[in-house]
Amino acid sequence: QVQLVQSGSELKKPGASVTISCKTSGYTFSRYAMNWLRQAPGQRLEWMGCINSNTGTPTYAQGFTGRFVFSLDTSVTTSYLQITNLEPEDTAIYYCAREAETWNSGSWFDPWGQGTLVSVSS
Amino acid sequence: EIVLTQSPATLSLSPGERTTLSCRASENIDTFLVWYQQRPGQAPRLLIYDASNRATGVPARFSGSGSGTDFTLIISSLEPEDFAIYYCQQRSVWPLTFGQGTRLEIK
Repeated sequence: QVQLVQSGSELKKPGASVTISCKTSGYTFSRYAMNWLRQAPGQRLEWMGCINSNTGTPTYAQGFTGRFVFSLDTSVTTSYLQITNLEPEDTAIYYCAREAETWNSGSWFDPWGQGTLVSVSS
Repeated sequence: EIVLTQSPATLSLSPGERTTLSCRASENIDTFLVWYQQRPGQAPRLLIYDASNRATGVPARFSGSGSGTDFTLIISSLEPEDFAIYYCQQRSVWPLTFGQGTRLEIK
């Protein structure tokens, strides 16, 4: 079955960087884009953007440019989210979520990874 | 960006009851509306796409309807595992946006 398994929780200091991995299995990796979403405490879910798993081309939603980088390693069917220069406001659960349909991007999501909590505090 | 407003914020119901959750879009999104369920401590799970299509494996007690700006998710007879938070999401226009959620709790 399709599975997305994310890396574990992270506790970071402001200004540090973090990389979250999303290991996939059970489907042809290149056929489905990968999306990244954020759920900050008390806030609604936010779509951060997506990456084309065939070409590696990322698309970032407004507000997630500059410090946020999506990448892939097709050899291990894994997607990554890197956040640099962390701020306390980046404290949130970050989800990877596969595009529900092949060769589509930024549409709807199925399934989701289990989420990675990133806490940023001095 | 398109704003989705869900109502009510919280519903307190008993197993076996029928419930209707609402999602209103700030502009016309045709039928490009998706529903997810999020149980405590879990990731969201796809329930309904394009307003009325049940995702694979979703029980028939879940149904969705609506078009334009007004959408509903109906659960015909609540099971214990249905007590969760429900989110709507529009896929009509980037950026994709979500409602703030409706929490369904046991009365």
